[in-house]
Amino acid sequence: QVQLQESGPGLVKTSETLSLTCTVSGGSVSSSDFYWGWIRQPPGKGLDWIGSIYFTGRAFYNPSLKSRVAMSVEKSKNQFSLKMNSVTAADTAVYYCARQQWLERGNWFAPWGQGTLVIVSS
Amino acid sequence: SYELTQPPSMSVSPGQTASIPCSGNELGDKFTSWYQQKPGQSPVLVIYQDYKRPSGIPERFSGSKSGNAATLTISGTQAMDEAEYFCQAWASTTVLFGGGTKLTVL
Repeated sequence: QVQLQESGPGLVKTSETLSLTCTVSGGSVSSSDFYWGWIRQPPGKGLDWIGSIYFTGRAFYNPSLKSRVAMSVEKSKNQFSLKMNSVTAADTAVYYCARQQWLERGNWFAPWGQGTLVIVSS
Repeated sequence: SYELTQPPSMSVSPGQTASIPCSGNELGDKFTSWYQQKPGQSPVLVIYQDYKRPSGIPERFSGSKSGNAATLTISGTQAMDEAEYFCQAWASTTVLFGGGTKLTVL
């Protein structure tokens, strides 16, 4: 069964770049059946989609974050990554990676990684 | 801007039925998914494509939609169902989540 695991620094300085990696096991990021997504959750708040990427590199980003976000796929390592620049305290959140099934009329995320808390502080 | 609206909280007695609503202007044309999140845990998909249930999800969880309103129904609610529930849909070029409904079983 597919499992996802986020990794990266738990503390990022204000104005710097947040970098996270999601390692996929039990499945392949090169699968043509799925996209791979990043979702975050500020402490005590709801879920906020960051973006999704296909193995070809085709990506969709949340319009509110698009100018600061870049995603990539590393097929040889079975990983996909997130970079978010110019971070502020508002970017403090638990960051989740998830596999995403995508059809014409909609999409959904399953399974999810365990999440990693990223704190942005000066 | 397009949003998915959920009530912040609901309560239900054990054994009763909980119906959690989610509304959005374009929901009628798009699939709705639902996630359960317990404190300190990752979200878990409980309903996709409006009414389909992933393997391993109990039959007491069901989904429905009428027009631009989707509903997650939990029949015979158990104490273990106490959690926050989020609806989710795709709109144009954006994935949207509802604000979440905290379900209390008491």
